[in-house]
Amino acid sequence: AQSVAQPEDQVNVAEGNPLTVKCTYSVSGNPYLFWYVQYPNRGLQFLLKYITGDNLVKGSYGFEAEFNKSQTSFHLKKPSALVSDSALYFCAAHGGNNRLAFGKGNQVVVIP
Amino acid sequence: ETGVTQTPRHLVMGMTNKKSLKCEQHLGHNAMYWYKQSAKKPLELMFVYSLEERVENNSVPSRFSPECPNSSHLFLHLHTLQPEDSALYLCASSPEDTYPIYGYTFGSGTRLTVV
Repeated sequence: AQSVAQPEDQVNVAEGNPLTVKCTYSVSGNPYLFWYVQYPNRGLQFLLKYITGDNLVKGSYGFEAEFNKSQTSFHLKKPSALVSDSALYFCAAHGGNNRLAFGKGNQVVVIP
Repeated sequence: ETGVTQTPRHLVMGMTNKKSLKCEQHLGHNAMYWYKQSAKKPLELMFVYSLEERVENNSVPSRFSPECPNSSHLFLHLHTLQPEDSALYLCASSPEDTYPIYGYTFGSGTRLTVV
C-alpha cells in the first residue's frame, strides 16, 4: 500500500532562515510526488510536483523540493523563510495505478 | 479561487439534522473526491467519482451519502451525524482518476461542527 510520512508535527524557523519540511514515501513503481500548502480555513493549494527528470524541482513562492530515490524522500525547502509561509504543508505521493496518498501534514511556524 | 467551489463554508448541525454539502467545478475534470480532514491526521479519502460513477467508498459510515448528478457537481448528504464527525470536509477534482501527473485541485472546504 502507498504511504507518506511527515515525521514532524511542527517546524519552527526564524524569518530569513532556511526552511525544510521532511517527507518520505512508499509507493509501488515510479513515484509521482507533490507538495501542497494549506492556509487557515482554506483548501490545499498546489506548490510543486516531481514527475520525472531533474531531481530538484522548483515551485511557487520560492519553494523547491529534492527527489532522492535512494532515500525515498522528497523534502521541501526554501532558502529564506517569510512570516507569510506559516501554514500547513502536505506531502502526497502517487504510484502505480493508485490515487494520491497524503501525509498528515506539517505545521510551519515562521517566527518574526 | 481554484476553480473548485464548496458551499457552505461553515455548518453547525445537530445530531438529528439532515444537511448537504455541495461542491462544484467547471474545470472540465472527470474525477471528483470527498476528503475528511481532522487535526494531526492524514487526509482521509471518503469517496471517489469518476465519470459520475462512484468508484470508491472507503468504509465510510452510511450516515454519509454522496451524490454526483453530473461531472460538475458533487454532494455529500449528512444525517444523524456524531460529534466525532466534526471536521473540515474537502472536495477535490482531477482530470482523470488514477492518472497521476496532474495532481488534484481542492476547494476551500466546509468546516462542519456537530453538536
